[in-house]
Amino acid sequence: GEDVEQSLFLSVREGDSSVINCTYTDSSSTYLYWYKQEPGAGLQLLTYIFSNMDMKQDQRLTVLLNKKDKHLSLRIADTQTGDSAIYFCAEDTGGFKTIFGAGTRLFVKA
Amino acid sequence: EAGVAQSPRYKIIEKRQSVAFWCNPISGHATLYWYQQILGQGPKLLIQFQNNGVVDDSQLPKDRFSAERLKGVDSTLKIQPAKLEDSAVYLCASSLKAGVNTEAFFGQGTRLTVV
Repeated sequence: GEDVEQSLFLSVREGDSSVINCTYTDSSSTYLYWYKQEPGAGLQLLTYIFSNMDMKQDQRLTVLLNKKDKHLSLRIADTQTGDSAIYFCAEDTGGFKTIFGAGTRLFVKA
Repeated sequence: EAGVAQSPRYKIIEKRQSVAFWCNPISGHATLYWYQQILGQGPKLLIQFQNNGVVDDSQLPKDRFSAERLKGVDSTLKIQPAKLEDSAVYLCASSLKAGVNTEAFFGQGTRLTVV
């Protein structure tokens, strides 16, 4: 079945890099997404990657995709306290359906 | 640009009562989604509209949940009667069109507590 899995927590020091990992099951996924959710807010699309790409860089964000292992990661360089939030990995399973992981809560220590 | 508006922000009801949530999408967005986000989980799609037609409602518990988007703009989601396990944040999102890689903008959500 369709499933997206993430680790639940990550704690880093301010200025360090954060790496959030995700695995998915649907090999026919066309797009994979990273969303950010701050307390009391809706989800905000951070970045996405097309399934025929290996890497995408957008300012402090780097997305790596290993399609063979169905593994997606989000690296945040120079992590700031404002990056503290829940990060959701999501995949498009075909058609119009997007499946979300349970989210990784990132704690940034000053 | 105004975002997706939802109301109320919070709602507490007793089990077996009814409740309704309202969503006003971004102007011009044809596609509207309702998601249920249970604490500690990712959002789960309940229903997706394209204009005023339903695209996907396969995960909507139709014995108690209903949703409509009569004029293809605002939408309401109703639960009747509510159960304890319906406690969650209900997120509304909209996008310009349906399909993959179409950025969906999310509202702040309505937090429902059923006691």
